Amino acid sequence: GQNIDQPTEMTATEGAIVQINCTYQTSGFNGLFWYQQHAGEAPTFLSYNVLDGLEEKGRFSSFLSRSKGYSYLLLKELQMKDSASYLCAVMDSNYQLIWGAGTKLIIKP
Amino acid sequence: GAVVSQHPSWVICKSGTSVKIECRSLDFQATTMFWYRQFPKQSLMLMATSNEGSKATYEQGVEKDKFLINHASLTLSTLTVTSAHPEDSSFYICSARHLAAEINEQFFGPGTRLTVL
Repeated sequence: GQNIDQPTEMTATEGAIVQINCTYQTSGFNGLFWYQQHAGEAPTFLSYNVLDGLEEKGRFSSFLSRSKGYSYLLLKELQMKDSASYLCAVMDSNYQLIWGAGTKLIIKP
Repeated sequence: GAVVSQHPSWVICKSGTSVKIECRSLDFQATTMFWYRQFPKQSLMLMATSNEGSKATYEQGVEKDKFLINHASLTLSTLTVTSAHPEDSSFYICSARHLAAEINEQFFGPGTRLTVL
């Protein structure tokens, strides 16, 4: 079966760095997405990785290792507004997105 | 660019009535649109995938006669919840895949919160 695992909840301090991990087992791979979702709102796109390595975009970076079926989202200089759920999703061989359950990130002052 | 709208944003209806939700890609053409449902504190659950001009593909466990999907054009898909009941109360989100997208990204609408009394 297809499976995406990520921690349920994480807590970090404003100004710090946090890494949210995601491991996956899917039938085929056409890229891995990270989305941010604030409570009561739809997800918004953060990043996309299809090749191994690190993609940096401002305070957010995303890493992928296809051989390990592993990705992480790195958030630097955390701000209170970063409190949200972070969803890992993998596009399988049928170009279908397989979603993780999401990681709720709580930022404390 | 790549904006997706949904209408209505929220709706309250009586049990037994039908509710139609519209999903529009405002500034691009979408080959495929997706309908998701999300219950509180849970992840997105894909309900169905719709391609313009063809029948929607429903996920296992989703009743196609209850959740009617019409994808009439490359910019509009509708989801009709027929004979809604309180257990259908949820956050319904659509997304659209850009016809010319390089990375198959899905652009999400803002969601529709349905409450069935």
